[in-house]
Amino acid sequence: DIQMTQSPSSLSASVGDRVTITCQASQDISTYLNWYQQKVGKAPKLLIYGTSNLEAGAPSRFSGSGSGTDFTFTISSLQPEDVATYYCQQYDDVPITFGQGTRLDFK
Amino acid sequence: EVHLVQSGAELKKPGESLKISCDVSGDIFTSHWIAWVRQKPGKGLEWMGAIDPSDSDTKYSPSFRGQVSLSVDTAVSAVYLQWVSLKASDTAIYFCARHRSSRLPVDAFNIWGLGTMVSVSS
Repeated sequence: DIQMTQSPSSLSASVGDRVTITCQASQDISTYLNWYQQKVGKAPKLLIYGTSNLEAGAPSRFSGSGSGTDFTFTISSLQPEDVATYYCQQYDDVPITFGQGTRLDFK
Repeated sequence: EVHLVQSGAELKKPGESLKISCDVSGDIFTSHWIAWVRQKPGKGLEWMGAIDPSDSDTKYSPSFRGQVSLSVDTAVSAVYLQWVSLKASDTAIYFCARHRSSRLPVDAFNIWGLGTMVSVSS
């Protein structure tokens, strides 16, 4: 199985901050990497697919980059509604695997 | 607009069987693979497997192969996740989710059900 390692596991930031989460794959996954947001008590929501493509309806403050084994997810200006847990997911190979999640809250 | 409507919460005893459902509406049922994702209380997301509603082709995670089975009923546009003998460790929320691109067995999941809570306790 491809292991996905996210960092940090949690972080606190302020409204307006630039926030960055990283995800490292245990082997080359090209750009087969997605990012999801999950708010408490809700289903996950797709934000970024194929490493850097913004899903329809997702705010433009969300972006992604990377290739191979190292990936980055960025929120350019943190908003109050961004409090959530964020997950990366690889779909290069079965089984599809997720990172362990990054819990984001406000200072 | 596509919707995935999941069946309601279940409270079961160890050893009992269970089948939960995910009803697909708003699009051609057979056009996209449907995945199942487990989330244990307070934990992360785990991909269990996926099924192609057009021909019932399935892919399972090794962690779940033999523990659960996926099936479809095209007559009612539903996908099912089934257990023969539940364990306490199966207690979790189970989400169904539709693949973003049609016909791809591995993909992003852009439409999710609300989840079905399964509690297994004696």
